[in-house]
Amino acid sequence: DTAVSQTPKYLVTQMGNDKSIKCEQNLGHDTMYWYKQDSKKFLKIMFSYNNKELIINETVPNRFSPKSPDKAHLNLHINSLELGDSAVYFCASSQGAGNSPLHFGNGTRLTVT
Amino acid sequence: AQTVTQSQPEMSVQEAETVTLSCTYDTSESDYYLFWYKQPPSRQMILVIRQEAYKQQNATENRFSVNFQKAAKSFSLKISDSQLGDAAMYFCAYRSGNTGNQFYFGTGTSLTVIP
Repeated sequence: DTAVSQTPKYLVTQMGNDKSIKCEQNLGHDTMYWYKQDSKKFLKIMFSYNNKELIINETVPNRFSPKSPDKAHLNLHINSLELGDSAVYFCASSQGAGNSPLHFGNGTRLTVT
Repeated sequence: AQTVTQSQPEMSVQEAETVTLSCTYDTSESDYYLFWYKQPPSRQMILVIRQEAYKQQNATENRFSVNFQKAAKSFSLKISDSQLGDAAMYFCAYRSGNTGNQFYFGTGTSLTVIP
């Protein structure tokens, strides 16, 4: 029944490793997002896909690569992890326009040691 | 890009009392949507309330209501009869009615409810 689900919930890894976070939504939305929430709780947009097409690509290191195999899935792959990548990463989805809100996943807490 | 400002990093309220969280935004658009989200310690992001800019009537959801002042570009959240479970971070967000894929968030207000 979960509308937006992302896995894993927690991810602890060492510097230099490569990791992926998966996200799936069953709401039939056409737009999906990745947000990063830092230790000060600031929410920063990273990427957005609309019907598998990249539409928002903020200033993010190219070690971060999103992939959308279909409009219900948006995964985030991170290469060569750095200490500063430690944060909570939220996947979200929304219908394309109007007052449709963002529906968030429960977040993935990434800790890089 | 639109900016959303929450000028109160922290607020506190006595249980059963009323508190108002402020939010202002900067835009030249006439068509847009505003939202308040709650993030409790569980870190889940929960939609609290939404407002369409074309509606003059302030949105209300149970104990939560907004004071939407379009000319002043202000969108404050009022929580009545505060409960312990209201303790959370609250984020104000703006969505363009024209280029609607981007949501802009404020920096959040941490609300403490005192028993």
